[in-house]
Amino acid sequence: GAVVSQHPSRVICKSGTSVKIECRSLDFQATTMFWYRQFPKQSLMLMATSNEGSKATYEQGVEKDKFLINHASLTLSTLTVTSAHPEDSSFYICSAPGQGDATNEKLFFGSGTQLSVL
Amino acid sequence: KQEVTQIPAALSVPEGENLVLNCSFTDSAIYNLQWFRQDPGKGLTSLLLIQSSQREQTSGRLNASLDKSSGRSTLYIAASQPGDSATYLCAATGNQFYFGTGTSLTVIP
Repeated sequence: GAVVSQHPSRVICKSGTSVKIECRSLDFQATTMFWYRQFPKQSLMLMATSNEGSKATYEQGVEKDKFLINHASLTLSTLTVTSAHPEDSSFYICSAPGQGDATNEKLFFGSGTQLSVL
Repeated sequence: KQEVTQIPAALSVPEGENLVLNCSFTDSAIYNLQWFRQDPGKGLTSLLLIQSSQREQTSGRLNASLDKSSGRSTLYIAASQPGDSATYLCAATGNQFYFGTGTSLTVIP
């Protein structure tokens, strides 16, 4: 099956710093990638949809300037948490549809990034 | 807005038992429904995908059914094993993927 690689798996940073998370589709091209946030014992919350070659689409309540998304190529999307604060500490997961129509295919997930802001 | 609910939130069973996890959704206009497995601190693994035109899908000991009209899906796990212990999430696909809150399964050896 399709593989999505997410890096880093864990990051600890000081308040005020920026953190970049990478999501790569290893054996397929992904024109669309999704970024989720997950709090302990809660489900995934869609933050934004990353589109190759165009601006990301953010969900209501998600700060665009806070969570910068760049879909640089058909295999790479990045999420940068700018000026991170302790309340940004969470588990971030990316995903991509395997192929074809984004709404009609299996979602493949990265392994997630646990962000802890001190 | 689509709302997805999973019952029970947690389930503990002895090894070897068959079990059913439930997923309900409020908007029947979905493209498909997927079941995922999540291990602690890990990403999600897709288990089964049921297209809106299908009634069920099977993979090994797993069987997922879909009843769009009633807004329900079930994941049946046969002969449960300790390795099945994980959180199981369902997601209904409309204009985006709507996830349930998951069922945390513990299979006791």
